[in-house]
Amino acid sequence: KQEVTQIPAALSVPEGENLVLNCSFTDSAIYNLQWFRQDPGKGLTSLLLIQSSQREQTSGRLNASLDKSSGRSTLYIAASQPGDSATYLCAVSYTGTASKLTFGTGTRLQVTL
Amino acid sequence: NAGVMQNPRHLVRRRGQEARLRCSPMKGHSHVYWYRQLPEEGLKFMVYLQKENIIDESGMPKERFSAEFPKEGPSILRIQQVVRGDSAAYFCASSPQRPNTGELFFGEGSRLTVL
Repeated sequence: KQEVTQIPAALSVPEGENLVLNCSFTDSAIYNLQWFRQDPGKGLTSLLLIQSSQREQTSGRLNASLDKSSGRSTLYIAASQPGDSATYLCAVSYTGTASKLTFGTGTRLQVTL
Repeated sequence: NAGVMQNPRHLVRRRGQEARLRCSPMKGHSHVYWYRQLPEEGLKFMVYLQKENIIDESGMPKERFSAEFPKEGPSILRIQQVVRGDSAAYFCASSPQRPNTGELFFGEGSRLTVL
């Protein structure tokens, strides 16, 4: 069964701290992996997309890595800000079902002043 | 370029009524996906459609749920005879083609409450 797990489920950090969110998946035959941000009552905003052939992607203060062999991805957020407070979702699409995303349950991040 | 548009944003129905949720994909996108997010759970794939075709409906409940994406107009997710367990946020996503990058663009969701 293809499962995606995110740890921790919730995280609170003071402003300015660097942090890492973790995502693990059980089936390494992935097509790509996406990190999303979801604000309360809102939709999903795509942050980073990593193709299976890539090891990492960067956008501003965000860096996502992918290690297919170990079934893991990390989202690194540098110099966190209160505006980063949201739920971060990891989603994987698998070879053969590239149109279908399997989501983790997310990490709820709160950045405090 | 407008994003994925979903309406209504909020919908309240009584048990046994019908719910219709609409999704207009991003301009130039011909692939639509529906996902459901139950309270305190992750998003679950429901169905993938192209214009006038259902490509993958493996995540759709066997009864009461249907989806279409007609040649003209938005994609519609229809839930007949709603029950309380149908209360959830329903998200639509679109992509421009059979994914080469696989990136999906999501709408803000339609939140269904069944009384």
